[in-house]
Amino acid sequence: GAVVSQHPSWVICKSGTSVKIECRSLDFQATTMFWYRQFPKQSLMLMATSNEGSKATYEQGVEKDKFLINHASLTLSTLTVTSAHPEDSSFYICSARDRAVGRTEAFFGQGTRLTVV
Amino acid sequence: TQLLEQSPQFLSIQEGENLTVYCNSSSVFSSLQWYRQEPGEGPVLLVTVVTGGEVKKLKRLTFQFGDARKDSSLHITAAQTGDTGLYLCAGGGGFGNEKLTFGTGTRLTIIP
Repeated sequence: GAVVSQHPSWVICKSGTSVKIECRSLDFQATTMFWYRQFPKQSLMLMATSNEGSKATYEQGVEKDKFLINHASLTLSTLTVTSAHPEDSSFYICSARDRAVGRTEAFFGQGTRLTVV
Repeated sequence: TQLLEQSPQFLSIQEGENLTVYCNSSSVFSSLQWYRQEPGEGPVLLVTVVTGGEVKKLKRLTFQFGDARKDSSLHITAAQTGDTGLYLCAGGGGFGNEKLTFGTGTRLTIIP
């Protein structure tokens, strides 16, 4: 299957600082990438859809000025959590869809555990 | 808003037993996927079903997509400890930027 790499796997930061998380599709091109947040023992909650070369589409209730998404190339999307607070601590996961014709599956990164202290 | 309800939410059974997990919605989906997620990792795709009534088998796992493409089931035969994990169904995700809607999840524990 296609490989999606997320970096870092975990990060601890101080309250008020910003953290950037990278999501790369290693062996395919991804026109669209998705960013999710997952709280302990819960399912994935979609935060935003990242489209290469255009602005991200945010889900209702997600602050676009706090969670900055950039999708500058067909293989890289970044999520920046700005002015992080302890309540932003969570497991963040990205996924990418192969733009090749006929591929509908989304492949997931390994996730980033963010802890804000 | 499309919602996918999974049942049961938690399931703990003995190794060797059979089990079924259900994924239900009032909405029609173009396709439906099943994932398994281990703690601290991203979900791993198990299967994609796209045709109403479709049945797919993956070793001891059998996946079925409802005729109306609103529901799905996952049946595991002779469960093994390695089957332990969080099982997630997800609907949508067709061509273009159609987003996936994830189910509420089923946490499965297989007891040796």
